[in-house]
Amino acid sequence: DGGITQSPKYLFRKEGQNVTLSCEQNLNHDAMYWYRQDPGQGLRLIYYSQIVNDFQKGDIAEGYSVSREKKESFPLTVTSAQKNPTAFYLCASSIPGAWANVLTFGAGSRLTVL
Amino acid sequence: GEDVEQSLFLSVREGDSSVINCTYTDSSSTYLYWYKQEPGAGLQLLTYIFSNMDMKQDQRLTVLLNKKDKHLSLRIADTQTGDSAIYFCAEILSGGSYIPTFGRGTSLIVHP
Repeated sequence: DGGITQSPKYLFRKEGQNVTLSCEQNLNHDAMYWYRQDPGQGLRLIYYSQIVNDFQKGDIAEGYSVSREKKESFPLTVTSAQKNPTAFYLCASSIPGAWANVLTFGAGSRLTVL
Repeated sequence: GEDVEQSLFLSVREGDSSVINCTYTDSSSTYLYWYKQEPGAGLQLLTYIFSNMDMKQDQRLTVLLNKKDKHLSLRIADTQTGDSAIYFCAEILSGGSYIPTFGRGTSLIVHP
């Protein structure tokens, strides 16, 4: 079945450490996205990529980095520069320019900084 | 202010209808969406409506769009406990990046 796989589901990090969240899709979608979700704040866009080897900052990119070396993969690194990284992270993909640009989401990764 | 606004909580009795409301500020919205998020999971698309439509119905779901007031609503008929979730309103603006902007989400609590 086609879909988006995020791993790990839960991740604990000590302050000062970088961590990388994995996102893999087999939907053949060109566009991929990373959102951060905090209680009561909805979804905020961190980074997005509409084509391999290209990506753009979203609304809250500071302290995060991404790469898009393969169409199927869009990993997110939460760096030590991110001041408040504890959150639920959601990866999504879509066919850009398609009718209505519907996003397909992964199940999410919950990061907790100890 | 926010581009898309929703109330944070709604509580209904099982079997009643639920109405979840959303307001948006930009009249150039082209698509408006409702996504559902169950606890600890990602979002799933429930339905979407194009801005030139007033209403869309899909089984128990009815979406109403009032462009004059920039108001979108989602009505769930015969609400069940399995409908308990967070419901997100989202919009795409014409002439922009074509990426949805999400509201804060409305937590729907269905009690017996």
